Amino acid sequence: DTGVSQDPRHKITKRGQNVTFRCDPISEHNRLYWYRQTLGQGPEFLTYFQNEAQLEKSRLLSDRFSAERPKGSFSTLEIQRTEQGDSAMYLCASRGLGETQYFGPGTRLLVL
Amino acid sequence: GEDVEQSLFLSVREGDSSVINCTYTDSSSTYLYWYKQEPGAGLQLLTYIFSNMDMKQDQRLTVLLNKKDKHLSLRIADTQTGDSAIYFCAESTSGTYKYIFGTGTRLKVLA
Repeated sequence: DTGVSQDPRHKITKRGQNVTFRCDPISEHNRLYWYRQTLGQGPEFLTYFQNEAQLEKSRLLSDRFSAERPKGSFSTLEIQRTEQGDSAMYLCASRGLGETQYFGPGTRLLVL
Repeated sequence: GEDVEQSLFLSVREGDSSVINCTYTDSSSTYLYWYKQEPGAGLQLLTYIFSNMDMKQDQRLTVLLNKKDKHLSLRIADTQTGDSAIYFCAESTSGTYKYIFGTGTRLKVLA
């Protein structure tokens, strides 16, 4: 257990539905990352927060995806109008002052 | 664009050394990382190296960086069955916050 938690751990939804995932980072960490990982691939960077500011977004992040970190603590990732291609593991990581990112266990999304 | 490549599989016998290789394309990489992912578990940072270093050793792990060839390797000495996992190489670049991960190398350690 790294201290980063994600909820839910699994989500099954029908195509076209909206889903929201939550990440609770290690409490003193001001940096937070979201990644997507599909089977047989490495994590793909989606977005980065420093405190409550979203400082970088990947071009992979279509306009159906939005992420927030309203108080600089937990973060949410919402996917609107889900598509089957959104099926993946969504990973959150937090980081303090050093180089180490601490990854959560992930939320596995299956879009039917 | 940035790309990080790794071979997909490596199989070694318990007690032997494992060498996992990685190549990257971004010459402005500042840090290079090795992560381990065990089945059903999250990613765990094993070690990292700053781009102005050639080598870093941490117990059984040795990282070698050839910046000219953009080649990174991770050597695991005295490989144990508990080292069986997927190993990811990753890079970060100054001026951007994103990390680029490779596709991972699945290491299988035979008893």
